Parts: sequence; C-alpha cells; structure tokens
Amino acid sequence: AQTVTQSQPEMSVQEAETVTLSCTYDTSENNYYLFWYKQPPSRQMILVIRQEAYKQQNATENRFSVNFQKAAKSFSLKISDSQLGDTAMYFCALGLYNFNKFYFGSGTKLNVKP
Amino acid sequence: DSGVTQTPKHLITATGQRVTLRCSPRSGDLSVYWYQQSLDQGLQFLIQYYNGEERAKGNILERFSAQQFPDLHSELNLSSLELGDSALYFCASSVGYEDTDTQYFGPGTRLTVL
Repeated sequence: AQTVTQSQPEMSVQEAETVTLSCTYDTSENNYYLFWYKQPPSRQMILVIRQEAYKQQNATENRFSVNFQKAAKSFSLKISDSQLGDTAMYFCALGLYNFNKFYFGSGTKLNVKP
Repeated sequence: DSGVTQTPKHLITATGQRVTLRCSPRSGDLSVYWYQQSLDQGLQFLIQYYNGEERAKGNILERFSAQQFPDLHSELNLSSLELGDSALYFCASSVGYEDTDTQYFGPGTRLTVL
C-alpha cells in the first residue's frame, strides 16, 4: 500500500524567513513522481513543484525547492524568503506508474506572519 | 489560471436532491479526475476518466456517478444528497492517464446540502 504522511498539521513563519515542510511517503515502487500542491484560502489547488524519483537532483522553482531523500522516502519543501501570499495549505502527493490513483497527504497549514 | 474550468462555483441544495457538476479539462488533456474535499480535510479521490473511458475508481459512493463526453468534458452526478455530501468538489486534468502526469486543478465547486 502507498501512503503519504505530513506530520506537521500547522506551521508559522515570519515574512522573509525560510520554512521547511516535511513529507514522508511509503511505496515499494521504483518509478514515481512526487508533487507539492498549494491550496490558498481561495481553496484552488495550485501545483508548486514536481520531482521525478529517478532524478537525483532536487527540483527548484524560484523560491521553492525540495530536499528529496529517496532512501529515506522523504520529500520536504523549502520556501525561502516567505511572502504573505504563501499562506496556504500545502499538500504533498505521490503519483505512481501503472497505478490508478494519486496519493495525497493530509496537508500542512502554513501561516506567513507580517 | 490552470485552464481547467468548473461550473457552477457554488451550489446550494436540499437533502434528497440530485445535482450535476461540470468540468472542462485543459486543452489537449485527455484525463479528468474528480476529488472531494470536506471541511478541513484532505483530498479524496473519487474517479478518473481517460478519453471517455473510466480508468480508475476511488472512494466514490454508489449514489455518485460520472462520465466523460466525446468533447472530453466531464460531469459528476450526485444523487440522494445527504448533509455529509457538503464539500468542495475538484476536477483535475492531465495529458495522459499515468498517475505520474501532473494534474491541473480547477477552481472547485462548493456544494452545500441543507
């Protein structure tokens, strides 16, 4: 069975500081992708970043980067220079080849304080 | 803007009623996914269609059904509605049918059952 765990239900960070959101997953598959999605108060789901499991290099998108540790099955999201607009719920997700399901974690609510 | 559209944005109805939610995927995307997000909860995968055919089924109740039409838009039908069906319903689309394909989410339809 596949699982995605986000152990931090809620986090706070000061504007302009850096914060790291944790995600661990479990799968016996070798080929998969990992995603971070952001859900702001508007409730829309927005793709933040995507990582292919076969790539060792960590994905980066502007202020967002991941620390992908395949052996440890860990996929954390680092947000640098946090902005008020980063306030949102963040979901980690796992997608597998040949499986008909997308696995989401329970989410981490991030509050960026001015 | 993800390119995925959902209508209506809000829907208020009574218990026992039936409603239809509509989704238009991004241009070129063949897969459509439906998710349910209850208040303060994560995303529950309901069902996936690929090029008109049902591809995967998640935690979808028998009272719920969906279809994807030849123009690739999809409809989610919810019948015999109960209070507990009140939730945000998301549609997402992707190019292919693999769970490793990035999913692009629509803005959601907020269903309130009174």
